[in-house]
Amino acid sequence: AQTVTQSQPEMSVQEAETVTLSCTYDTSENNYYLFWYKQPPSRQMILVIRQEAYKQQNATENRFSVNFQKAAKSFSLKISDSQLGDTAMYFCAFMVFNTGTASKLTFGTGTRLQVTL
Amino acid sequence: NAGVTQTPEFQVLKTGQSMTLQCAQDMNHEYMSWYRQDPGMGLRLIHYSVGAGITDQGEVPNGYNVSRSTTEDFPLRLLSAAPSQTSVYFCATRLAGGYEQYFGPGTRLTVT
Repeated sequence: AQTVTQSQPEMSVQEAETVTLSCTYDTSENNYYLFWYKQPPSRQMILVIRQEAYKQQNATENRFSVNFQKAAKSFSLKISDSQLGDTAMYFCAFMVFNTGTASKLTFGTGTRLQVTL
Repeated sequence: NAGVTQTPEFQVLKTGQSMTLQCAQDMNHEYMSWYRQDPGMGLRLIHYSVGAGITDQGEVPNGYNVSRSTTEDFPLRLLSAAPSQTSVYFCATRLAGGYEQYFGPGTRLTVT
């Protein structure tokens, strides 16, 4: 079974600063996806970024980037130039790569990020 | 194209009552799933389906039933609601073999 751990329940960052959210996972699988989801107060789940385990290059989406350390089973999210709209709960998630349909998404417990003026 | 829709948005039940949370999608996705979100526990998988007529249990299935008679719909049934089922419920879908999950807007359920 896979587990995902987010050890920072809450974080705060000032606008325009950079913040890094931590995530570690445990798996015996070799091919998998890792994700960061954002959940703003509206409750909607929004995919921020994904990383395929077979790719050595860290994924980047605009101000969001990851530091993927496969050997250490670590997957942190860096948010640069933080904006007030980044205030949200952030979930790290894991899914085994499977060409079929049965792969399930396993979530961490989340980190609540507050961006302040 | 409505994506993933869930009804109702909010619901209050008394202990022992039954109800069905509805989930519908118009993207022809094979995979559909139900999660519950509780404070400090993230999202946990309740049940999932890989296609019409096929369902299976997730991490926390007790107290919930599902069925999948069509590709579009995946209702979640609470037969006898308990206060422990107070939660926010999300339906999610994706293509077979795909990686991106599409989430519905969620249903906030309170059981008193």
